Amino acid sequence: DAGVIQSPRHEVTEMGQEVTLRCKPISGHDYLFWYRQTMMRGLELLIYFNNNVPIDDSGMPEDRFSAKMPNASFSTLKIQPSEPRDSAVYFCASSTRSGGNTGELFFGEGSRLTVL
Amino acid sequence: GQSLEQPSEVTAVEGAIVQINCTYQTSGFYGLSWYQQHDGGAPTFLSYNALDGLEETGRFSSFLSRSDSYGYLLLQELQMKDSASYFCAVSPGGGADGLTFGKGTHLIIQP
Repeated sequence: DAGVIQSPRHEVTEMGQEVTLRCKPISGHDYLFWYRQTMMRGLELLIYFNNNVPIDDSGMPEDRFSAKMPNASFSTLKIQPSEPRDSAVYFCASSTRSGGNTGELFFGEGSRLTVL
Repeated sequence: GQSLEQPSEVTAVEGAIVQINCTYQTSGFYGLSWYQQHDGGAPTFLSYNALDGLEETGRFSSFLSRSDSYGYLLLQELQMKDSASYFCAVSPGGGADGLTFGKGTHLIIQP
């Protein structure tokens, strides 16, 4: 079974540009999480969905960030406009309900974003 | 809110045993997880403790004391491939509500 698939793996863009990161969760997983990782702040939970519905977006840093999950097999995280401080690795993870109860999330390989 | 404390770096020798500690403060607690992350890679799940005591999975073991808000990951018979960052994480509210991660411990293994 394929794992969580993220694209692009690397993105370099200029300040002010729109960035869209994509994620395909593991089939059958009904929870999807977006995390951001930086050296300073570690792994931060941005938002998570259950059955395609956003449950908690309190970790989204500001209005420039938005996330959608139009169906069970696809989610996007959009940054508009992007700023240099958004440079980070963005991870998507998915889980089943029981997996969540055991603290087991399955992470994608991440999207490394550099904003110049 | 939630906060987790773990050492930023630990050094050990190949073949030895190393313990990585984690203390946490959370408004709610469901369980403590451990993840491994190699440089440039994704975090991967290692273990989970919901109850006090020791859980063993091969060379890795994890311990939890709920009364002390403390846990540790024990790695035995260290191999060079164990060089990675190790994160503890808490599930504060139960269910699949997302994990809060510590800043991670960089494990350096010397031959």
